[in-house]
Amino acid sequence: AQSVAQPEDQVNVAEGNPLTVKCTYSVSGNPYLFWYVQYPNRGLQFLLKYITGDNLVKGSYGFEAEFNKSQTSFHLKKPSALVSDSALYFCAVRGPLGVYGQNFVFGPGTRLSVLP
Amino acid sequence: GAVVSQHPSRVICKSGTSVKIECRSLDFQATTMFWYRQFPKKSLMLMATSNEGSKATYEQGVEKDKFLINHASLTLSTLTVTSAHPEDSSFYICSATTSGQETQYFGPGTRLLVL
Repeated sequence: AQSVAQPEDQVNVAEGNPLTVKCTYSVSGNPYLFWYVQYPNRGLQFLLKYITGDNLVKGSYGFEAEFNKSQTSFHLKKPSALVSDSALYFCAVRGPLGVYGQNFVFGPGTRLSVLP
Repeated sequence: GAVVSQHPSRVICKSGTSVKIECRSLDFQATTMFWYRQFPKKSLMLMATSNEGSKATYEQGVEKDKFLINHASLTLSTLTVTSAHPEDSSFYICSATTSGQETQYFGPGTRLLVL
């Protein structure tokens, strides 16, 4: 069965510093990996995805993520954090094709706080 | 593009009443819609998956008679919480995708409070 781990409940970083939010996964077959961000009392916003191709994926708001097959990781990164990046971040993996082929498994989430 | 709306954004109801939540894909046809439930400071829990014109597939432990899902068109799915109780209070989020798309697009969520 597929699973996603986000080892850090909380990440604190100073504004202007680089940030990393970690994600590791377990899935049979080739993984489809996603990052979403959630602001308070809001739904999830899509940031980026890895399906195939270059291991470094660039997404919205200056975020990028690096797919590492040997380490089964898909860490989210940003070179220079903004206070407005403070939110809850979810890593997700799309499982193997089921009846509808679209089931996602979400990690537990990591709360990012960017301090001014 | 790929905008999903939910209505209402917030609802308060009395115990024993039923509440309907709508999920609409505004600029694309959603062949598949998902309903999630999120507890405070927790991740999303998939409740059910529905294809347009078909019965929803419920995840283990989710009562299909309590959480009625209808996906009557390619742009609308509804979740009805029947005979709501305080323990049903939660944040309900829908998502939608279309055939051939890998990405799910999420609605803004509906906060339900049952008194």
